Amino acid sequence: EPEVTQTPSHQVTQMGQEVILRCVPISNHLYFYWYRQILGQKVEFLVSFYNNEISEKSEIFDDQFSVERPDGSNFTLKIRSTKLEDSAMYFCASSGERGWSDTQYFGPGTRLTVL
Amino acid sequence: ILNVEQSPQSLHVQEGDSTNFTCSFPSSNFYALHWYRWETAKSPEALFVMTLNGDEKKKGRISATLNTKEGYSYLYIKGSQPEDSATYLCAFNRGGGATNKLIFGTGTLLAVQP
Repeated sequence: EPEVTQTPSHQVTQMGQEVILRCVPISNHLYFYWYRQILGQKVEFLVSFYNNEISEKSEIFDDQFSVERPDGSNFTLKIRSTKLEDSAMYFCASSGERGWSDTQYFGPGTRLTVL
Repeated sequence: ILNVEQSPQSLHVQEGDSTNFTCSFPSSNFYALHWYRWETAKSPEALFVMTLNGDEKKKGRISATLNTKEGYSYLYIKGSQPEDSATYLCAFNRGGGATNKLIFGTGTLLAVQP
């Protein structure tokens, strides 16, 4: 069964460093997402991406964040200058052509720890 | 501010017990309600996407109902097994074509004792 994969599973970085989290969505999906869960809090939406551009972003997704689909298979989230409060589990998800009524399939997450 | 609430926060049951939990969401501009099952260190597993008032969906021993007028969904597990132990998340979408964003509840942590 097709699945969303994410690498690395755990990333430790120093405050102020840049990190890139990688995702391989399900191959025929058209919508791509990043969510995150800070420890003890709800899973929260960061950004959605469709047709090679951001379709929606939350207020969390400021200028420090960017997303890219560099080669038609990978989907990346870059944090330019990490802060302590960026420590969280980051989930990538993808869904098919029906958009809002379609299932979003999630990857296993990347745990980001900012020291 | 849109809020999705789940109750209870956690539940401990014995193997063979049937159980249910609740997801409450804003009833205005409803489009879809998603249920996920999430085991630690694994991907959240999609269980159901529900869009119509009165919807009932079933997958094995797990079923769900939806009431969009009053803003709640129930998830039922019949004859719980230890492998059902997980966090069950619901997520709400209210934007239709304008947004695919999911708004999540805090989850219900289910522990099934053998």
